[in-house]
Amino acid sequence: GNSVTQMEGPVTLSEEAFLTINCTYTATGYPSLFWYVQYPGEGLQLLLKATKADDKGSNKGFEATYRKETTSFHLEKGSVQVSDSAVYFCALRPSGGYQKVTFGIGTKLQVIP
Amino acid sequence: NAGVTQTPKFQVLKTGQSMTLQCAQDMNHEYMSWYRQDPGMGLRLIHYSVGAGITDQGEVPNGYNVSRSTTEDFPLRLLSAAPSQTSVYFCASSYSGDRPNTEAFFGQGTRLTVV
Repeated sequence: GNSVTQMEGPVTLSEEAFLTINCTYTATGYPSLFWYVQYPGEGLQLLLKATKADDKGSNKGFEATYRKETTSFHLEKGSVQVSDSAVYFCALRPSGGYQKVTFGIGTKLQVIP
Repeated sequence: NAGVTQTPKFQVLKTGQSMTLQCAQDMNHEYMSWYRQDPGMGLRLIHYSVGAGITDQGEVPNGYNVSRSTTEDFPLRLLSAAPSQTSVYFCASSYSGDRPNTEAFFGQGTRLTVV
């Protein structure tokens, strides 16, 4: 079956540090890949997505590149802010008709001033 | 657009009580789903629906019922609440069918405590 693997954290960084959250996946074919963010007390919201190999998704200074050869979709940001403190979920949606979304466990990020 | 609306935001139940968590979306999405979020467990799929009149079980369906009489609404029913159902519940919706590459939209969540 499909699966998404990411570290649970928490990841603690100082403001302006570089962020990487690793995400690897297992799926057949060419799934769409997503990063969602959940701020405290809120629901998940889409941060960025990529729908085919070598696509780069980007939003709010965050980036992730769809790497088919390594089945990865790592999230990066060059300089984090306190306001980036949240839980980040990697997810995949298989191609072909309707397929259920598979989520990773979520990585908690804490940015300290 | 309101997006996905969940009610209530908070609820405390006694063991054995029943209740319905409401979910409505105004985006004409075919697909709707319910998740529960627990510490260290991520999001787990409870039930989902690919259209009005069609529902199916997810990973953790026991103790929950759903129905989908309209495209807009997808209520989740707890028939006899148990402490193990204490969790945060999220409803989500998205397009399906020939548009597989679209993201899910989530409600704000319902924090349920069963005592």
